Amino acid sequence: SYVLTQPPSVSVAPGQTARITCGGNNIGSKSVHWYQQKPGQAPVLVVYDDTDRPSGIPERFSGSNSGNTATLTISRVEAGDEADYYCQVWDSSTDHWVFGGGTKLTVL
Amino acid sequence: EVQLVESGGGLIQPGGSLRLSCAASGFTVSGNYMSWVRQAPGKGLEWVSVIYSGGSSYYADSVKGRFTISRDNSKNTLYLQMNSLRAEDTAVYYCARANPLAYCFDYWGQGTLVTVSS
Repeated sequence: SYVLTQPPSVSVAPGQTARITCGGNNIGSKSVHWYQQKPGQAPVLVVYDDTDRPSGIPERFSGSNSGNTATLTISRVEAGDEADYYCQVWDSSTDHWVFGGGTKLTVL
Repeated sequence: EVQLVESGGGLIQPGGSLRLSCAASGFTVSGNYMSWVRQAPGKGLEWVSVIYSGGSSYYADSVKGRFTISRDNSKNTLYLQMNSLRAEDTAVYYCARANPLAYCFDYWGQGTLVTVSS
C-alpha cells in the first residue's frame, strides 16, 4: 500500500515561513491535498491538487509537488495557524485514500 | 449550504455492532462520492471507506469484512455498519464528501465518537 511520510513537528516564529513536507514514492505523479485540523475540530481542506486553494483559504497557504516530496508552505505565519496538518492522496491502484501521519505546527 | 451531521456513536463492548449515520443537506449523497474517515484518540487521520456515486464501495484493510458502507437516497443519509468491533476501532468517525475530480475531501462533518471497551 502507498505510504506518505510527514515530520511529526515543525516550529516557526510568527511572521516567518513554515514548510511541511510529505514524502512518498514518486508522489509528484499524484495529486496531493492538504488539511488543517485544530484541536477538537474537524479537518479543513487548505490546498488541493498540489497547488489550488479552496475559496476562503488565505493566499498565505500554498503547495508544491515534485519527485518524491510534496510541500505545504505557509507564509507570514500567524498564531492562528497553529494546528495539525495532514497530506492526502488517492491511490488509483487500490482505490484507497491515504493520509500522511500528520505534522504538528507550533508557532513559537 | 452543505452540511454533514453524524450520529450513532457511543460505548460498545468488544465484538459488538454499531451503525453510524451521516445526514447530508445542501447536496445529494447519491450523486457524490461519500467517505468515512476516523481518528483514534491522539492519533492521525485514517481513511475507512468510500462509496461512489455509481454504488461501488471500497474499504481500508483494517476494516474490510467487518464494516459496510451504504446510503439511503430517500433520506439523503450515509451509513457505516460496524460489526465485530475491536478496541482499536475506538475513534472519532467523520463523514466526508469527496470531490470526484480532485479526490480530496471538501466537506466534513463534526464527527461522532465510538468507544469500544468492556
